[in-house]
Amino acid sequence: EVQLVESGGGLVQPGRSLRLSCTASGFTFGDYAMSWVRQAPGKGLEWVGFIRSKAYGGTTEYAASVKGRFTISRDDSKSIAYLQMNSLKTEDTAVYYCTKDELWSYYYYMDVWGKGTTVTVSS
Amino acid sequence: DIQMTQSPSTLSASVGDRVTITCRASQSISSWLAWYQQKPGKAPKLLIYKASSLESGVPSRFSGSGSGTEFTLTISSLQPDDFATYYCQQYNSYSFTFGPGTKVDIK
Repeated sequence: EVQLVESGGGLVQPGRSLRLSCTASGFTFGDYAMSWVRQAPGKGLEWVGFIRSKAYGGTTEYAASVKGRFTISRDDSKSIAYLQMNSLKTEDTAVYYCTKDELWSYYYYMDVWGKGTTVTVSS
Repeated sequence: DIQMTQSPSTLSASVGDRVTITCRASQSISSWLAWYQQKPGKAPKLLIYKASSLESGVPSRFSGSGSGTEFTLTISSLQPDDFATYYCQQYNSYSFTFGPGTKVDIK
């Protein structure tokens, strides 16, 4: 069974950093791109960014709202994707989901989601 | 960025009703559109990808159609398990963007 488990969330002060992890199982992790999506309390879904598989360069894309502050990386040997969040703002408060991304003709969609981890940015 | 809109924002319906949700993109996204279902406190679940392809394991009462800038999600006969919020999402270009959601509740 394909499974994604996020961890690393918690309460953090504005301006500080936090690193989230997404541990994958049930599929060949290195063959897939992975995304992060967040949902602020009572709000809709916001795509944060993603990392391609090594076969496609392992490159990343980010939403404008986090570009320059957040970094996505991956460790294929451990089947883990990371979201490093720096210079956190109160508006980054959200549930953060990681997703496995399926590729169809050069286009990626998110087919499996983890249960999410909660990040609260507050003083 | 491509903007996504959905209508209606809330839909009240009864079990057995046929339900249609519309999603519009601010520019053409070909067929690179997905639909997700989310229940309170749970992660979203993929229903439809490439505008009309049903994800494995999703009941056949769900269907998607459209291309370009206008898309629909149809539930042919609403079941008790279908009361949830539905999001469309474009993956034609970065940043990927979601619609604001349509909440389907009990009439």
